[in-house]
Amino acid sequence: GAGVSQTPSNKVTEKGKYVELRCDPISGHTALYWYRQSLGQGPEFLIYFQGTGAADDSGLPNDRFFAVRPEGSVSTLKIQRTERGDSAVYLCASSPLTRLYGYTFGSGTRLTVV
Amino acid sequence: SQQGEEDPQALSIQEGENATMNCSYKTSINNLQWYRQNSGRGLVHLILIRSNEREKHSGRLRVTLDTSKKSSSLLITASRAADTASYFCATGNTGFQKLVFGTGTRLLVSP
Repeated sequence: GAGVSQTPSNKVTEKGKYVELRCDPISGHTALYWYRQSLGQGPEFLIYFQGTGAADDSGLPNDRFFAVRPEGSVSTLKIQRTERGDSAVYLCASSPLTRLYGYTFGSGTRLTVV
Repeated sequence: SQQGEEDPQALSIQEGENATMNCSYKTSINNLQWYRQNSGRGLVHLILIRSNEREKHSGRLRVTLDTSKKSSSLLITASRAADTASYFCATGNTGFQKLVFGTGTRLLVSP
């Protein structure tokens, strides 16, 4: 597609539930990144994919968070047993690996855990 | 964790004035980028400067980088109300790995 698409744009879930957030990157972009942004803060890195593999998952806060990118395109961020502290905007970005380039971000998913 | 800190945290100016935002970071970098964010959602890439560059221009934007001081500045000239947004610097310490974002400057440009 023309840009990075994230769905849903908003998600409200109850504490303890499981959620999946989807990211559809720009076609042909090998690198895909997930970030989390709390109110008034800058985006914080969660995980980076190069193709199908997670090249760096050092930002995932704990084992409740998991992300996949099985075919090297669409990625899903999965959060188990959600907590109120997980409430944030989850941002996805992609970039080509052919040369150093800025990221293209999606509009994000606003997750609210009640 | 945040790598950089932007200064000031908030800036309020009139249309036509110049806006200067500063970014300081902690570790060595390969490149530094500036992004704009409207309404707390998606970020838009503005400009990228490599560690061996000192200054770069793009339209009304001018970015400087001083690696000895671990700092960068973003200058927006002849600001417009549409420039109202939050601005973030982000650093990369290798070519294609993660960017680490700063805390942001909220810019308000009044007509």
